[in-house]
Amino acid sequence: GENVEQHPSTLSVQEGDSAVIKCTYSDSASNYFPWYKQELGKGPQLIIDIRSNVGEKKDQRIAVTLNKTAKHFSLHITETQPEDSAVYFCAATMVQGAQKLVFGQGTRLTINP
Amino acid sequence: KAGVTQTPRYLIKTRGQQVTLSCSPISGHRSVSWYQQTPGQGLQFLFEYFSETQRNKGNFPGRFSGRQFSNSRSEMNVSTLELGDSALYLCASSLYDGEKLFFGSGTQLSVL
Repeated sequence: GENVEQHPSTLSVQEGDSAVIKCTYSDSASNYFPWYKQELGKGPQLIIDIRSNVGEKKDQRIAVTLNKTAKHFSLHITETQPEDSAVYFCAATMVQGAQKLVFGQGTRLTINP
Repeated sequence: KAGVTQTPRYLIKTRGQQVTLSCSPISGHRSVSWYQQTPGQGLQFLFEYFSETQRNKGNFPGRFSGRQFSNSRSEMNVSTLELGDSALYLCASSLYDGEKLFFGSGTQLSVL
């Protein structure tokens, strides 16, 4: 089955700097890769996602890149702000009519003012 | 549009008891999934329902079960609770098959 590894487990950056979180997946059949942000006391919130037929996707300060050959994908957050502090999860799945996301272990991102 | 609603928000049970958790998906969403979140194991898939049918199941014992009603609302049940069942149970709904899951805030279950 699918296995997703996420690095780093913790990340601390200065406000205004960029943050990068990386994930690798094992199943080459996976074709959908979402990223979630989880704040304390809340459920994961979908922030961006990408299909395997796209190499990069951007939404304001957030971008995701996908390298199918190497089986890894990354989340990039630019101009970080204190409200970006949270736990971020990557996930992978094969879209086939039955949803089963496999999540990475999470990255705790802290933005220092 | 209302988000995914899970009730109750918190539950405290003792070993051996059973528990039922409820989830109301976003209006129009027909797929409902359940995940268990623990500090040690992270987010793990329990099962997924679509139009009242279980389409996929994770690697959890038979004590974990679920169902979906005709209005897409879903419940999950855990029987004979064990200490290790203490976790945040998250429900997610989606409109498109396999994509864009939206999660509720979860039910925090503590087993004493």
